[in-house]
Amino acid sequence: LAKTTQPISMDSYEGQEVNITCSHNNIATNDYITWYQQFPSQGPRFIIQGYKTKVTNEVASLFIPADRKSSTLSLPRVSLSDTAVYYCLVEEAAGNKLTFGGGTRVLVKP
Amino acid sequence: NAGVTQTPKFQVLKTGQSMTLQCAQDMNHEYMSWYRQDPGMGLRLIHYSVGAGITDQGEVPNGYNVSRSTTEDFPLRLLSAAPSQTSVYFCASSYSSRSGFVAGGETMVQFFGPGTRLTVL
Repeated sequence: LAKTTQPISMDSYEGQEVNITCSHNNIATNDYITWYQQFPSQGPRFIIQGYKTKVTNEVASLFIPADRKSSTLSLPRVSLSDTAVYYCLVEEAAGNKLTFGGGTRVLVKP
Repeated sequence: NAGVTQTPKFQVLKTGQSMTLQCAQDMNHEYMSWYRQDPGMGLRLIHYSVGAGITDQGEVPNGYNVSRSTTEDFPLRLLSAAPSQTSVYFCASSYSSRSGFVAGGETMVQFFGPGTRLTVL
């Protein structure tokens, strides 16, 4: 499984866009990229998943360059309720084991 | 749908005691997993199951047993609790979907329960 590296923490303000970049230099051809969000005292929650280029849903966008060695989670116009830990995972297609790193702790300030 | 439910929410054990953490899901998911999360850390996989009657070890299986007699339930048993097992335990269930990401491949989305906070004295 490809190892991921992401910043330990990020601060932002309400209404701003937050971009979290994850590095996964040894990603394999069959690997896909998934992001989870975890609030204090809760289990992680799936946010978005992608393989290449750009994926967008109602919560976030995921940008993946052509070489797929990194990915960027973009949270548009964050609010205080977006304060959470965000985990980047790289998983083999059809794999059923998730490997969580330390995640990025995002603090949104008023 | 209740999703993934876990009981109990909190538990305090003495060293050497045994107990079972319960996990149930009502989404008819084939895959279920148990993770532990220590303070300030990411989640680590303990055991997982790809269907009823099938289980396998994850990253940190020692001291834990699992069984999967039904699709809905996936209990985690602590055989003889130790202080090192003090942690928050999360159960998850997953569905796989065939996607266009990888030819012939499937992707997984996991749904997590609310967790059980376990303290071993």
